Amino acid sequence: AQSVTQPDIHITVSEGASLELRCNYSYGATPYLFWYVQSPGQGLQLLLKYFSGDTLVQGIKGFEAEFKRSQSSFNLRKPSVHWSDAAEYFCAVGRYSSASKIIFGSGTRLSIRP
Amino acid sequence: DTGVSQNPRHKITKRGQNVTFRCDPISEHNRLYWYRQTLGQGPEFLTYFQNEAQLEKSRLLSDRFSAERPKGSFSTLEIQRTEQGDSAMYLCASSLELGTSGGAHNEQFFGPGTRLTVL
Repeated sequence: AQSVTQPDIHITVSEGASLELRCNYSYGATPYLFWYVQSPGQGLQLLLKYFSGDTLVQGIKGFEAEFKRSQSSFNLRKPSVHWSDAAEYFCAVGRYSSASKIIFGSGTRLSIRP
Repeated sequence: DTGVSQNPRHKITKRGQNVTFRCDPISEHNRLYWYRQTLGQGPEFLTYFQNEAQLEKSRLLSDRFSAERPKGSFSTLEIQRTEQGDSAMYLCASSLELGTSGGAHNEQFFGPGTRLTVL
């Protein structure tokens, strides 16, 4: 069965520090991988996605993620966080064919220390 | 604003009542999805439509839940005989799928959600 694990429920980093949010997936076929961000009262916004090709994916707001098939991971990174990055981050996996549903992880809440 | 809209944004109801939510997708999008999100969890897939056809339903979608997209534009999600366990945020998303493979190729744009509280 498809599943996504985000092992960190809550992370706090200082403004200007680097960030890495972990994501591991379980999937029996070629996955589509996503990172979404959800701010309070806002809808989910796509940060980046990976389908194929270069395993280092660039996204919006200065985020990037690296797909590592051998580790079944798709970690999100940002070299220097801003206070506005405080939000909930969700990793998700989609099925390559026959359906469009996306399986989300349980999320990592990011807090920024001034 | 041309994004996905959902109404109402908040709904408080008593157990046993029926509720209906509406989702208006981005106008040219042919796919529409419903998800449910409970506190501290990620969204869980409920169902999706390709135009007016409902192509997949999750086992989470009990027989008290029904979704429609009659003209391939807006969609409604109805919950009959609500239970306290139905309290959650109900999210709608839409996407434009040009291919025929059915995979999750293109970005799903999410609406702000409808928060349901069942007393």
